[in-house]
Amino acid sequence: DAGITQSPRHKVTETGTPVTLRCHQTENHRYMYWYRQDPGHGLRLIHYSYGVKDTDKGEVSDGYSVSRSKTEDFLLTLESATSSQTSVYFCAISESPGRSGYTFGSGTRLTVV
Amino acid sequence: QQQVKQSPQSLIVQKGGISIINCAYENTAFDYFPWYQQFPGKGPALLIAIRPDVSEKKEGRFTISFNKSAKQFSLHIMDSQPGDSATYFCAGSDDMRFGAGTRLTVKP
Repeated sequence: DAGITQSPRHKVTETGTPVTLRCHQTENHRYMYWYRQDPGHGLRLIHYSYGVKDTDKGEVSDGYSVSRSKTEDFLLTLESATSSQTSVYFCAISESPGRSGYTFGSGTRLTVV
Repeated sequence: QQQVKQSPQSLIVQKGGISIINCAYENTAFDYFPWYQQFPGKGPALLIAIRPDVSEKKEGRFTISFNKSAKQFSLHIMDSQPGDSATYFCAGSDDMRFGAGTRLTVKP
C-alpha cells in the first residue's frame, strides 16, 4: 500500500521468543495504529500512537508493547510470544482519523508454534 | 462497549443484484462514517465515507445512506459483481474501532 509498509510479511516463531514487527510510513501522518485480525473477532486495536513517544493502549494490549521514536516508524513487540498471539497484524496510519479515515498496511502474518 | 454494530455477518448476492450492509452507531458525537473493503490477504482500504450533513453519498456503484434519527448508515452496492466479493467494515469517526465485518459473496 502506498506510503505504508509492514515488515516482515510472514514470520514463524517459537513460543517464548521475542518478536518485533515494524511499520514504516512515508506520509508524515501523526497517528499510527496496530491491529490484530482473527476469524470471528474482526479488527481489534492493540496500541496506537498520536505522536513521537506518545502511545496508548487499545482493547487487547496485554502481552504487547510499542515504541515510536520517529514519526515514520511504529514498532510492535511481543515480549514473549504465545500461541494465542498467532494472528494477522495490521498497521494503520491517519492524518486526521475523524476526517480522512485510516490507511492500512498489507499485514504481517505471525505464527507462534 | 461496541460503538458500531454491523449486520449481516455474511451476505450472498447474485451478480447484478443489490448488496446492502447496515451499521448502527451509538455515539451521537460521531461526524464521519466510513466503510472499508478488504480482499483476502490484503489490508482494509477506505471505500467511501459520509458526513451527517447529507443523507446520501454516491461513488460509482457504491452508495452510503445515512439516517441520523435512527443512528444508522448503510452501504449499497448496485449491480454487484463477483469482484466485489470481500469483507466490508463500518466505523464511526475517530473511534478506532470497527464493526465486526460482513463477508460479501457475489455469485456469477
